[in-house]
Amino acid sequence: GENVEQHPSTLSVQEGDSAVIKCTYSDSASNYFPWYKQELGKRPQLIIDIRSNVGEKKDQRIAVTLNKTAKHFSLHITETQPEDSAVYFCAAAAAGNKLTFGGGTRVLVKP
Amino acid sequence: DAGVTQSPTHLIKTRGQQVTLRCSPKSGHDTVSWYQQALGQGPQFIFQYYEEEERQRGNFPDRFSGHQFPNYSSELNVNALLLGDSALYLCASSGDPIVGEQFFGPGTRLTVL
Repeated sequence: GENVEQHPSTLSVQEGDSAVIKCTYSDSASNYFPWYKQELGKRPQLIIDIRSNVGEKKDQRIAVTLNKTAKHFSLHITETQPEDSAVYFCAAAAAGNKLTFGGGTRVLVKP
Repeated sequence: DAGVTQSPTHLIKTRGQQVTLRCSPKSGHDTVSWYQQALGQGPQFIFQYYEEEERQRGNFPDRFSGHQFPNYSSELNVNALLLGDSALYLCASSGDPIVGEQFFGPGTRLTVL
C-alpha cells in the first residue's frame, strides 16, 4: 500500500521567513496530494491541494510543488505569521479517495 | 451549510464495551470516510462508504464496522474496545467518489479506560 514520509517533524521559523515541508510517497498510482493544517484540538483543514497533472499551485502565501518522477511534493509558506503555527499534514490518494497521511510537521512561528 | 458534523464530541468507555459514532456529511456530499488519529500522529484510514456500501477498507480489524444511511450519514461502530482504541475519530466527506477534496468533521474524542 501507499506510504507517505514527511519531513521535518518540527520546524521553527522567525515571523516573516519562509517555511518548507517535504513529503515523499511510494505508490506511483497516487494522483491527488492535499495538505491539511490542524490546530490544537481542531479538525484538519484543507489548505491547498494538487493533482498529478500539475507541477505547481499557488494560493496567496501558500504554494505546493509536485515532482511525479521523484515521487515527492512540498509545501511552501512565505511571509510566515504567528497564525501559521499549527501541525501540517501532507497526504496522497489514488483513485477512490483513500488518503494516506504523513506523520505531520509541527510549525512554530516565532514573533 | 453546517459542514461535516459529528457526535458525540467526547466519549469515555471501558475495555470490552461497544461504541457508536455518528457523522453527517457536508451538504451535497455522498462519500464518507472514517479516520483514526492517535495523539501526535497523522490520521489513519479506517474505511469509506459510498451508496450505502463499504468501498475501501484500511488495516483495521473486524471490530471496526460501519454503515451508511440513504441520507448519506454514517456510523462507525467499534466492538470489544481496547485501550489502544483511544483516539480522535474523524469523519470526512467528499462529493466525488473517485478523487476529490475531503472535508473533515470536528471529530469524536474516544477514551477507553
